[in-house]
Amino acid sequence: EDQVTQSPEALRLQEGESSSLNCSYTVSGLRGLFWYRQDPGKGPEFLFTLYSAGEEKEKERLKATLTKKESFLHITAPKPEDSATYLCATTGFQKLVFGTGTRLLVSP
Amino acid sequence: GAVVSQHPSRVICKSGTSVKIECRSLDFQATTMFWYRQFPKQSLMLMATSNEGSKATYEQGVEKDKFLINHASLTLSTLTVTSAHPEDSSFYICSARGGAVNTEAFFGQGTRLTVV
Repeated sequence: EDQVTQSPEALRLQEGESSSLNCSYTVSGLRGLFWYRQDPGKGPEFLFTLYSAGEEKEKERLKATLTKKESFLHITAPKPEDSATYLCATTGFQKLVFGTGTRLLVSP
Repeated sequence: GAVVSQHPSRVICKSGTSVKIECRSLDFQATTMFWYRQFPKQSLMLMATSNEGSKATYEQGVEKDKFLINHASLTLSTLTVTSAHPEDSSFYICSARGGAVNTEAFFGQGTRLTVV
């Protein structure tokens, strides 16, 4: 059965303090790995799709990378508006399998 | 990114009544739609997957007679919670995918259902 594990569960950063979020996965035949951002009371917002080991995607202060066993979401010089829950998901045969997320809080 | 619109955003209903939630893909054709339920501070729990024109595939433990899903067109799916009870109160979120299995799905804004 496909599994996705995210760590840490929660992360507090000071504004400008860079860090990384981890997503470890066990998938039989990875078809795609996805990162989403979710704000309280809202649906997830799509960030990135990664398909193969070595692939990287960037958007503003965020960069996602992928290896054969895990993905990292690097946050460079975060701002308070980056505070959210970040979700990682992989594809199974048809459905997305989500991790439990990392709750990020960036303090000014 | 693509836009998925979900309505209503909040609904309060009396116990025993039914509630319908709509999910529309506004600028793409959604070959597959997903319905999730999310409890406070927890991740998304997949309830069912539907393909346009086909019956929905429900996850284990989800009552198909209680959570009716219709995917009548390539841009619209509905979830009806029948005979709602307080334990059905939750945050329901839909998502839609327009491409192959390895393409991203886009999410609606979610619906906060409160059954009193």
